[in-house]
Amino acid sequence: GESVGLHLPTLSVQEGDNSIINCAYSNSASDYFIWYKQESGKGPQFIIDIRSNMDKRQGQRVTVLLNKTVKHLSLQIAATQPGDSAVYFCAENRSTGRRALTFGSGTRLQVQP
Amino acid sequence: DAGVIQSPRHEVTEMGQEVTLRCKPISGHDYLFWYRQTMMRGLELLIYFNNNVPIDDSGMPEDRFSAKMPNASFSTLKIQPSEPRDSAVYFCASRLDRGNQPQHFGDGTRLSIL
Repeated sequence: GESVGLHLPTLSVQEGDNSIINCAYSNSASDYFIWYKQESGKGPQFIIDIRSNMDKRQGQRVTVLLNKTVKHLSLQIAATQPGDSAVYFCAENRSTGRRALTFGSGTRLQVQP
Repeated sequence: DAGVIQSPRHEVTEMGQEVTLRCKPISGHDYLFWYRQTMMRGLELLIYFNNNVPIDDSGMPEDRFSAKMPNASFSTLKIQPSEPRDSAVYFCASRLDRGNQPQHFGDGTRLSIL
C-alpha cells in the first residue's frame, strides 16, 4: 500500500530499543480497538486487538494499552527489529450497530540498524 | 489458510475506461469491505456488505462507483467512467460476524488512471 499522508508522524528508533506508538481515538462509544501494520506494497496486517473491558493485552513482543478516560491507545513493541519498520494504524469500532472500522492517520516507524 | 485475494494487483488505464476490481474474501467470513487509500486522505471506507447484502455505501464517492457481491466468495468494485482522481490503492477486507473480530485485508489493487 502507499504511504499514508504526506506528513505522517514518524518515530525513529534504534534496533533493539523499545518502541511506543500512540493513538488518540475519537468515539467514546467505541469498545473494540485494533492495531494494524502496513508495509510498503501490502495491505494492513492485523497485529493485536483489545476490548474496552481490558486496559492491557500482550502478544508476542507487542503490548497494547488502553486508557478510556482520555481515549488513548498505545502500542508497545519490545526489542524493535528492522522488520518492524512500517506504518502503524490504530482502528476503533463499536460492537453494536455499524461494523466499519474508523482508522487513525497512521505513524511511520523507522528502525535504524 | 488463504487470505483475502485481490486482482489485479496493478491496473493502468486511460481516463474514461471502465475498471473492475475483484476480491475473494476469506472463506466463511460474513462481512466484506472495500477501502480506498491515498496519500492525502488515508484509508477511506467505500462500502461494506454483510452476507452479500450492501449495508453502508455512504463512502462511495460518486455514481461512477458501484460494487456487487453476487455470492459469498466474490465481490467486484467497478468504476465507469474512470477519472485520474480515482488513482489510488483499493483494498478489500473481510471478517467474521462473531462479536468483535478484526478485519483481514488483501494486498490491494494499485490503480492508475492516465
